[in-house]
Amino acid sequence: DTAVSQTPKYLVTQMGNDKSIKCEQNLGHDTMYWYKQDSKKFLKIMFSYNNKELIINETVPNRFSPKSPDKAHLNLHINSLELGDSAVYFCASSLQGLSGANVLTFGAGSRLTVL
Amino acid sequence: GDSVTQMEGPVTLSEEAFLTINCTYTATGYPSLFWYVQYPGEGLQLLLKATKADDKGSNKGFEATYRKETTSFHLEKGSVQVSDSAVYFCALSDRNYGQNFVFGPGTRLSVLP
Repeated sequence: DTAVSQTPKYLVTQMGNDKSIKCEQNLGHDTMYWYKQDSKKFLKIMFSYNNKELIINETVPNRFSPKSPDKAHLNLHINSLELGDSAVYFCASSLQGLSGANVLTFGAGSRLTVL
Repeated sequence: GDSVTQMEGPVTLSEEAFLTINCTYTATGYPSLFWYVQYPGEGLQLLLKATKADDKGSNKGFEATYRKETTSFHLEKGSVQVSDSAVYFCALSDRNYGQNFVFGPGTRLSVLP
């Protein structure tokens, strides 16, 4: 019954590897996001997709590639992992409305550790 | 661009103390304002929201009022509990900014018994 689910919850890998994090939402939302949270809890938007179209693409290395096969899924693939990529990655979703009162619903996070 | 500023933490209080966490924002449009809470090891959860000036959001004893004249959305609770220990994030959503949500840096609250 989880509204926004992301897998894996924990990921430990070596520098230079490629890894993916998957996200699915069952809320019927049309917009999905990836956020990165660093060790100081600072939360930064990375990408946003609305109905499978990329609408926000912040300054993120092109080693990060999001893919949205449909509006319920948004996956994040990371190539050539670096130490600085270690963080917690949060998937989120929202329903865009004319009122602007849309609310973000977050997944539980995926903690990536690069050794 | 839009931004959110919060008071620096950590904030440490005794149980039943009064809590205020300050939040101010800058926005080009007319944003909606939110407080999210993150408990240890979990994702962020919506705590409360307000969509227009003078709106008061409230939930679980927490309150915040949308003050357009001071561009503020301070979080308050009259009597905190140990279970309120968490990181609190102020955020805005500006329709004029591509529906992006902008978060403050977070304020860690520790409540001691």
